[in-house]
Amino acid sequence: SAVISQKPSRDICQRGTSLTIQCQVDSQVTMMFWYRQQPGQSLTLIATANQGSEATYESGFVIDKFPISRPNLTFSTLTVSNMSPEDSSIYLCSAIRSANEKLFFGSGTQLSVL
Amino acid sequence: DAKTTQPNSMESNEEEPVHLPCNHSTISGTDYIHWYRQLPSQGPEYVIHGLTSNVNNRMASLAIAEDRKSSTLILHRATLRDAAVYYCILRDGWGGGSNYKLTFGKGTLLTVNP
Repeated sequence: SAVISQKPSRDICQRGTSLTIQCQVDSQVTMMFWYRQQPGQSLTLIATANQGSEATYESGFVIDKFPISRPNLTFSTLTVSNMSPEDSSIYLCSAIRSANEKLFFGSGTQLSVL
Repeated sequence: DAKTTQPNSMESNEEEPVHLPCNHSTISGTDYIHWYRQLPSQGPEYVIHGLTSNVNNRMASLAIAEDRKSSTLILHRATLRDAAVYYCILRDGWGGGSNYKLTFGKGTLLTVNP
């Protein structure tokens, strides 16, 4: 199994600012993903973080708002830019080693935007 | 990803078996059936997955209908710690990187009564 650490675990931010969330995996993984979970809702995939190339974004999510980095096989960051109260959510990092293996999740970052 | 249908909520008593149903009538031949659960204030965790045959592991059993259009996650003796949202997800077992991701539906909220 893989252990995923996310930082920060929670934050309260002001409107218009940006927050970068870090995701560290304790072993090399093939794919990393970022999800958003709005209050009382299910998880929505934001993007796939690709090592060495630009992230692949899902419909409704854009790079300018959610820039993602993945400099190596164990680390990724998600930035929530120019935040508004609508960005208040839990952001979750996940990773997988190969197809048909299970997805591992971090415990999430609870973001509140005032 | 093909769509799944689950009841919004279910209730059980502690130490009794729980059968969580999932319908996936449009499943394709290469879709694996995955189950994840999300405990309160945590990221989702893998429970079990299968393709055609019934599967057992230390957490649960997965019973797959012969026509694969439905499946049932079985918790043999529910405990209070099993209270969670359970997600039934289909994922194509073939192909490239786009098949690594998971698309979450709304899931079933399981309440376990003491």
